[in-house]
Amino acid sequence: AQSVTQLGSHVSVSEGALVLLRCNYSSSVPPYLFWYVQYPNQGLQLLLKYTTGATLVKGINGFEAEFKKSETSFHLTKPSPHRSDAAEYFCAVSANSGGYQKVTFGIGTKLQVIP
Amino acid sequence: SAVISQKPSRDICQRGTSLTIQCQVDSQVTMMFWYRQQPGQSLTLIATANQGSEATYESGFVIDKFPISRPNLTFSTLTVSNMSPEDSSIYLCSVELRGKVEQYFGPGTRLTVT
Repeated sequence: AQSVTQLGSHVSVSEGALVLLRCNYSSSVPPYLFWYVQYPNQGLQLLLKYTTGATLVKGINGFEAEFKKSETSFHLTKPSPHRSDAAEYFCAVSANSGGYQKVTFGIGTKLQVIP
Repeated sequence: SAVISQKPSRDICQRGTSLTIQCQVDSQVTMMFWYRQQPGQSLTLIATANQGSEATYESGFVIDKFPISRPNLTFSTLTVSNMSPEDSSIYLCSVELRGKVEQYFGPGTRLTVT
């Protein structure tokens, strides 16, 4: 079984200040981890993913996340967010299930960026 | 990546009726998925649609309520049957591409049941 916990359903930051969105996971097998972004009235877009190798993963739009196995965490950061980064962010974990990746999503964190 | 479209983008339906949502992909894919995103909540997997076989439903979802078709490698439909206000949600389809571990999502169908 696998699960994802996102701490903080709403996060507000000032434009230009570091944003940190927290994600902890549990998985019985080595996980694949993802962050997706959902802008209003749109589907989900992949920001970044961790599969194997380097634990610091860089994604689109200046976001990055670090896989910490000892802490079972995959927190998302961006050093200087812009107001256009206001959206909902979903952390997800997947594992192989009968030939495909079964994905479990966190509850999501709504990011507000204050000008 | 993949370009995924869904029809309709939104609809308002009356209780007791059914709505069929279409999902079209611009490339051939083996696995397609249907999710529900209820207001203020995360995504919940409804079923997995593998071309050439019956859809596999997750716990809490049944074929009579959410029949799925998968006639070819680029298309799938999800029907929400005998709707009630509790079915008001965003319904998203996604695909898994060969050699990729991430899923790619359509824009969603926003359903309101009155």
